[in-house]
Amino acid sequence: TQLLEQSPQFLSIQEGENLTVYCNSSSVFSSLQWYRQEPGEGPVLLVTVVTGGEVKKLKRLTFQFGDARKDSSLHITAAQPGDTGLYLCAGAGAGGTSYGKLTFGQGTILTVHP
Amino acid sequence: GAGVSQSPRYKVAKRGQDVALRCDPISGHVSLFWYQQALGQGPEFLTYFQNEAQLDKSGLPSDRFFAERPEGSVSTLKIQRTQQEDSAVYLCASSLITEAFFGQGTRLTVV
Repeated sequence: TQLLEQSPQFLSIQEGENLTVYCNSSSVFSSLQWYRQEPGEGPVLLVTVVTGGEVKKLKRLTFQFGDARKDSSLHITAAQPGDTGLYLCAGAGAGGTSYGKLTFGQGTILTVHP
Repeated sequence: GAGVSQSPRYKVAKRGQDVALRCDPISGHVSLFWYQQALGQGPEFLTYFQNEAQLDKSGLPSDRFFAERPEGSVSTLKIQRTQQEDSAVYLCASSLITEAFFGQGTRLTVV
């Protein structure tokens, strides 16, 4: 069974603080994706990382893929209330599975207070 | 349509009732996936289609769950004799190559 361990599960912070969410696995993935999901909506893709050691930036969000392609992190700088939501990491292509078959972490519920 | 469309958005079923959930993928998307998401958790894979072929159904929790995509476009997830543990949000996603686009989901509540 492939498992993606995501931490922390809950994060409650004040506006302007920085935070990091971690996603770890014992499996090697072809790619790892980060999604944000708001209540009543489906997950929306934020970024895909493919190469070990890769770092991608999306405005105040920085995503990193571990060298061994087993782990990833999401760092948010100067969080804003609009960042509130469920953040999900998902791995694709582990163990020869269908590329689009995603294994999701359990998610991090982020609340940013004004 | 512009995105993945799922219907109904909400479904309340009495225990033992059969339900059918519909997914309209983005036009031209070859791959279609169904996921089940419990409250506050990440989605869990159910099944995968490439065109009309169901290539992976390893995530379907029991033989009460059945999915089809007869013409390689619209897909239906059917759950027979629903039970309370089937209550969840059922998400459909479609993709052309790598990026998966999700619908808003169907929230199923079994009472």
